[in-house]
Amino acid sequence: KAGVTQTPRYLIKTRGQQVTLSCSPISGHRSVSWYQQTPGQGLQFLFEYFSETQRNKGNFPGRFSGRQFSNSRSEMNVSTLELGDSALYLCASRLAGVSYEQYFGPGTRLTVT
Amino acid sequence: DQQVKQNSPSLSVQEGRISILNCDYTNSMFDYFLWYKKYPAEGPTFLISISSIKDKNEDGRFTVFLNKSAKHLSLHIVPSQPGDSAVYFCATKIGAGSYQLTFGKGTKLSVIP
Repeated sequence: KAGVTQTPRYLIKTRGQQVTLSCSPISGHRSVSWYQQTPGQGLQFLFEYFSETQRNKGNFPGRFSGRQFSNSRSEMNVSTLELGDSALYLCASRLAGVSYEQYFGPGTRLTVT
Repeated sequence: DQQVKQNSPSLSVQEGRISILNCDYTNSMFDYFLWYKKYPAEGPTFLISISSIKDKNEDGRFTVFLNKSAKHLSLHIVPSQPGDSAVYFCATKIGAGSYQLTFGKGTKLSVIP
């Protein structure tokens, strides 16, 4: 079974621009979560989507948003990029039900200049 | 304030010996605990988990121990192998119906041949 895929793997953007990252979960997984990893803050939860609905959101500004499609694929968007948004963005999928294990993709490395 | 702490940023162990990675948490409401390992340029890989109703879970060379009274979690790897060299993260969640994971900042394990 194919794992979680994320595109693009690397991205360079300029301050003030916006960016969209894409995630395809493991087949059959209906929950998708997004995390930001930085050297200073570690892995931090952004949001979780299940059946096209955002179920939970972390402590990030409104510039960070996401959505999930009917095929469970998810996108996250960051508007008005700031230098501090440079990070590894990780997507994780989870089998619905009482399974708590999340399976991560390789991440998208975003650099804001 | 960090709710999940991995106080050792790094650990070196000889091949064949036991590796013990530690994690402390502050919130007694955490009810499920997971360990992930991460290689450079890859996403975290799920290793093993434990529910708060148990105190031990074993899977091959990996054993997780949970001491609820001390709010302490540990991962034992026996025997350690060079391929185990990676960054290890402990993660936890609160409450049924919540799938948001809170991560420690990781411990870099180096297994010396």
